[in-house]
Amino acid sequence: AQSVTQLDSQVPVFEEAPVELRCNYSSSVSVYLFWYVQYPNQGLQLLLKYLSGSTLVKGINGFEAEFNKSQTSFHLRKPSVHISDTAEYFCAVSDPFGGSYIPTFGRGTSLIVHP
Amino acid sequence: EPEVTQTPSHQVTQMGQEVILRCVPISNHLYFYWYRQILGQKVEFLVSFYNNEISEKSEIFDDQFSVERPDGSNFTLKIRSTKLEDSAMYFCASSELAGVSHEQYFGPGTRLTVT
Repeated sequence: AQSVTQLDSQVPVFEEAPVELRCNYSSSVSVYLFWYVQYPNQGLQLLLKYLSGSTLVKGINGFEAEFNKSQTSFHLRKPSVHISDTAEYFCAVSDPFGGSYIPTFGRGTSLIVHP
Repeated sequence: EPEVTQTPSHQVTQMGQEVILRCVPISNHLYFYWYRQILGQKVEFLVSFYNNEISEKSEIFDDQFSVERPDGSNFTLKIRSTKLEDSAMYFCASSELAGVSHEQYFGPGTRLTVT
């Protein structure tokens, strides 16, 4: 079964600084990868996903992520964060050949943007 | 914009009591899901539901759990006899169709506290 590791439980950063949220997954022949965001008191919202093709994926709100097969990573980046980006971010993976499209989630990383 | 809603936002119950968590999926969606997140841990899949049947469930979803679509709008999760370890945030989600190309839309969650 797939697993996802988000090493950083909390990432504090100042406004307008760049940020990278790390995600590693257990190896498989082929995977689908996702990043979700949860703003306070709201549900999880899909930020971006990688299914195939270009390894650099652009999502909403200026976020992007790069799929690195050799390092089994899918780190999320933003060049300049805003206060409004303060939220919980979840990385998830699904195995298209594992018989289920249901994603396996990581523990989440809390991004805290300071003014 | 249509959204998934969940009630209540916070439920406190005593160990051994039955609890029902309610969700109203997006109206034209056909697939429904429950996930949970124990504090500080991963978001875990519980069950998916389609055409009035469970289509997939995880090991967590044992005989203590059941799901139902009692009418055309609600989707419920029942825990028959709650245990302390059932304390978690429970998320409902829905999607138009199944598969990774069809985004799951999540509700804001119900925080269940078992005392």
